[in-house]
Amino acid sequence: AQTVTQSQPEMSVQEAETVTLSCTYDTSENNYYLFWYKQPPSRQMILVIRQEAYKQQNATENRFSVNFQKAAKSFSLKISDSQLGDTAMYFCALNWAHDNFNKFYFGSGTKLNVKP
Amino acid sequence: EPEVTQTPSHQVTQMGQEVILRCVPISNHLYFYWYRQILGQKVEFLVSFYNNEISEKSEIFDDQFSVERPDGSNFTLKIRSTKLEDSAMYFCASREAGVDEQFFGPGTRLTVL
Repeated sequence: AQTVTQSQPEMSVQEAETVTLSCTYDTSENNYYLFWYKQPPSRQMILVIRQEAYKQQNATENRFSVNFQKAAKSFSLKISDSQLGDTAMYFCALNWAHDNFNKFYFGSGTKLNVKP
Repeated sequence: EPEVTQTPSHQVTQMGQEVILRCVPISNHLYFYWYRQILGQKVEFLVSFYNNEISEKSEIFDDQFSVERPDGSNFTLKIRSTKLEDSAMYFCASREAGVDEQFFGPGTRLTVL
């Protein structure tokens, strides 16, 4: 069975500071993808960043980067220079590379509050 | 930029009633999904739909649930006889072929009284 765990239900950070959101997962598959999705208040989930499990290099997207530790099955999201617009629910998700229909397995989410 | 839309944003219904949740996926997408999130819990996969048929469904997706793509644009989730435990946020998602990113709608909050 595939599980995704986000152990921080809620976090706060001051504007311009750096915050790290944790995610661990469990899967018996070797070839899979990991994602961080962001859901602002009353808005839809949007993709923040993705990582292919076969790539050792950590993905980065502007202020967002991941620390992917495959052996430890850990996939944390680092947000640098936090902005007020980063306030949102963040979901970690996993799917299998060989699954044609690509269903996602999600964590329970971390609510991030960026304070001015 | 194209978006997945869902209606209504909030639906309140009595236990035992039928509800239909509507989604309009992005127009060139071929794969469609429903997920749900009970308050405080994980977002859970319900069903995937491709080529006008269900491709996979979870244990949650029992005989009370059905999906349909009645025309070229809408994708619906029907719950035949709602239960209290069906109260949740329901998300629709879609993706195009060859791409693993799914695009999500804003969700429909279903409250069963």
